Amino acid sequence: DVKVTQSSRYLVKRTGEKVFLECVQDMDHENMFWYRQDPGLGLRLIYFSYDVKMKEKGDIPEGYSVSREKKERFSLILESASTNQTSMYLCASSPPFGSVTQYFGPGTRLTVL
Amino acid sequence: SQKIEQNSEALNIQEGKTATLTCNYTNYSPAYLQWYRQDPGRGPVFLLLIRENEKEKRKERLKVTFDTTLKQSLFHITASQPADSATYLCALDVTSGTYKYIFGTGTRLKVLA
Repeated sequence: DVKVTQSSRYLVKRTGEKVFLECVQDMDHENMFWYRQDPGLGLRLIYFSYDVKMKEKGDIPEGYSVSREKKERFSLILESASTNQTSMYLCASSPPFGSVTQYFGPGTRLTVL
Repeated sequence: SQKIEQNSEALNIQEGKTATLTCNYTNYSPAYLQWYRQDPGRGPVFLLLIRENEKEKRKERLKVTFDTTLKQSLFHITASQPADSATYLCALDVTSGTYKYIFGTGTRLKVLA
């Protein structure tokens, strides 16, 4: 079974702090994704990566950056956390495009105070 | 504008009945459509994928239909059980050159014992 793990289930940070969310997958997938999920808005793509050191912006990249130094690890960085970044953050991975399924991690509930 | 709609209100049904969830979209021509299940505080889990040239797909008690003329997918759970209670998300793959996945906001299903 594919396993996608995220570094924290719950996280509480202060406004202005730098926040790192880590995601690791064990299936050698090329693609990795970061989404945020908010009530009534569904999943919105922040960034995705289709290879090591490659990244592309999704629909809502403002205020976020990403890093993919190794194939299995994809990090989401909030340079200066703000209260409107309080959300559920979901990482996913998938094989190359061709509409195969995405495998999601358990999510990180981030609260910015 | 482009959008994807799922019943925003919760669907309550009696155990043993068939649950039918709807996913409607406008202004997309998806090659594929997927359905995911999401439990509270968890990441989505893939259930079924249906291609644009397929009318129907089945997996155990689950059935998905895809009508590209009506721009609609129906998701059925037959002989529903309380354990089927969850939020169900549809997702369109409209990748064309660059990655593009659109998720609906989900429909919450509650199966009453």
